[in-house]
Amino acid sequence: GNSVTQMEGPVTLSEEAFLTINCTYTATGYPSLFWYVQYPGEGLQLLLKATKADDKGSNKGFEATYRKETTSFHLEKGSVQVSDSAVYFCALERGSTLGRLYFGRGTQLTVWP
Amino acid sequence: DAGITQSPRHKVTETGTPVTLRCHQTENHRYMYWYRQDPGHGLRLIHYSYGVKDTDKGEVSDGYSVSRSKTEDFLLTLESATSSQTSVYFCAISESSSSYNEQFFGPGTRLTVL
Repeated sequence: GNSVTQMEGPVTLSEEAFLTINCTYTATGYPSLFWYVQYPGEGLQLLLKATKADDKGSNKGFEATYRKETTSFHLEKGSVQVSDSAVYFCALERGSTLGRLYFGRGTQLTVWP
Repeated sequence: DAGITQSPRHKVTETGTPVTLRCHQTENHRYMYWYRQDPGHGLRLIHYSYGVKDTDKGEVSDGYSVSRSKTEDFLLTLESATSSQTSVYFCAISESSSSYNEQFFGPGTRLTVL
């Protein structure tokens, strides 16, 4: 079946620290991969995506590379800010499933000044 | 921001009562989805719709039904609410099923079943 596993949180960092949130997936075929972010009290927003192997998604200083050989899509940012504090969700979509997304459990990130 | 509203935003109800949550969009998107968010589970799909009167089950559909009589509205009904349905419910919309089209999420409804 289709599933996403992401690292357990919470993650606590100081401002300007390097961030990695691990995400691995199981899927048949060639899924598209996403990172969504949820700020406190809000719905989810798309942060970045990659639709084929070796693609790199990037947005707001965050990056993730679609690695088919390791079935991974790790999220990275070189220097986090307090405003990055949120819950981050890795997700996949299989093209044959009418756009439905399969989410990981989410990772809470807190950045201290 | 995509035009998605959910109502109510908060609701407290008692076990055994029926509850209907509404998702309304102004984007004329074809696809609509209901997810629930629970600690340790991320978001899980309850039901989705790929057009007016066209709906299908997701992975956690037991105890829920949906209806879509108009493009802009997607209703989620708990026929007889149980405490296990206490959750935050999110509606999402998408222009197409392609991964090139983003899913946009509503602000969520926090439901508490006592």
